[in-house]
Amino acid sequence: GAGVSQSPSNKVTEKGKDVELRCDPISGHTALYWYRQSLGQGLEFLIYFQGNSAPDKSGLPSDRFSAERTGGSVSTLTIQRTQQEDSAVYLCASSTPAERGRYEQYFGPGTRLTVT
Amino acid sequence: AQSVSQHNHHVILSEAASLELGCNYSYGGTVNLFWYVQYPGQHLQLLLKYFSGDPLVKGIKGFEAEFIKSKFSFNLRKPSVQWSDTAEYFCAVNGYNNNDMRFGAGTRLTVKP
Repeated sequence: GAGVSQSPSNKVTEKGKDVELRCDPISGHTALYWYRQSLGQGLEFLIYFQGNSAPDKSGLPSDRFSAERTGGSVSTLTIQRTQQEDSAVYLCASSTPAERGRYEQYFGPGTRLTVT
Repeated sequence: AQSVSQHNHHVILSEAASLELGCNYSYGGTVNLFWYVQYPGQHLQLLLKYFSGDPLVKGIKGFEAEFIKSKFSFNLRKPSVQWSDTAEYFCAVNGYNNNDMRFGAGTRLTVKP
């Protein structure tokens, strides 16, 4: 079946512009996660959606970052007034609900964002 | 807050050498532990996981990991690496009542043929 898809695969933008990154999770996966992967920094948690519950936004680095998930499926991560330090690979993952956190995340290919 | 430490940033081995990648975590409660792998040009994928029971877990491609609760560690091992094991390896942890995952910084493994 289809995996997690993300678009665009690459995005180059000028400093100060807004960007939108899209994630399409695996059908039926109610949990969706955004991470940022910077060179040599590993994966940094950004935001987590679970069904209709309020999202966990505790990882968003500033108020320039926001995300929404429409209809419990597709998610969009928006970065306003981009800065050069926002350059990174943005990864999306999805999973099915599981008790006691016993779930596997399925990752998309990522969007490589370059801010010039 | 929970955190994960991977001590080796880059490991270089020759084929057939043994591998051990360190992972330590900080978390106050019961945890689930994972190793994910990212092969060059591919998505992150699950290598193995520990939820409960036997602390020695086996995953795909001959990898195994041992959970040592007293040391808050979950080290990844493989007796004999192959060139195709060249990849980046990420340790991750989440809690029982916490549905978000925290990842380590990753260890890049290069296996020389």
